[in-house]
Amino acid sequence: NAGVTQTPKFRVLKTGQSMTLLCAQDMNHEYMYWYRQDPGMGLRLIHYSVGEGTTAKGEVPDGYNVSRLKKQNFLLGLESAAPSQTSVYFCASSRGQGVREPQHFGDGTRLSIL
Amino acid sequence: DQQVKQNSPSLSVQEGRISILNCDYTNSMFDYFLWYKKYPAEGPTFLISISSIKDKNEDGRFTVFLNKSAKHLSLHIVPSQPGDSAVYFCAARTMEYGNKLVFGAGTILRVKS
Repeated sequence: NAGVTQTPKFRVLKTGQSMTLLCAQDMNHEYMYWYRQDPGMGLRLIHYSVGEGTTAKGEVPDGYNVSRLKKQNFLLGLESAAPSQTSVYFCASSRGQGVREPQHFGDGTRLSIL
Repeated sequence: DQQVKQNSPSLSVQEGRISILNCDYTNSMFDYFLWYKKYPAEGPTFLISISSIKDKNEDGRFTVFLNKSAKHLSLHIVPSQPGDSAVYFCAARTMEYGNKLVFGAGTILRVKS
């Protein structure tokens, strides 16, 4: 039972390079999220999606873009990586808006920008 | 401006004793509160939650208490076990569309055997 799968698990980039992080969920969840976790700051929401073809900005969206072309996939893009984007990135999904719908998380992608 | 605060970065407890993790919030519009547990190199996993209309929710060894007037919630683990050693995140759900969560910075719990 895979749940939420993130690829890659680790990546090192040089400043200015671009890359895409992939999140895939097999639970048929409507909602998907991208967070970043930095020391002493908990998880902060970057972008989210409430369904296929929709995206919306979260708390810290600058420097990132997202796409949800298929219900099961949510892609996070960095067009021109900056050292400030060094972080651990988590993807999550949830069934919907209901109060008993906790978010389910992937195991994270550790990204270093040199 | 952190809306959800976990003021204790770490907590150390003896096996078999009670662990109490605390969380404070500032936004009175939060309608649901959750605790997540995180082991190293893994994603957070949902542990227990409580609606803002309740003051207590219990699930086995885990109990969450909510004091709305103080804007404070706590997670009690009784008895604590070495396998409970992890980072615990408090999260609050906003009433806005999207089922979005606001997380605290986390508390590292170490249970000593």
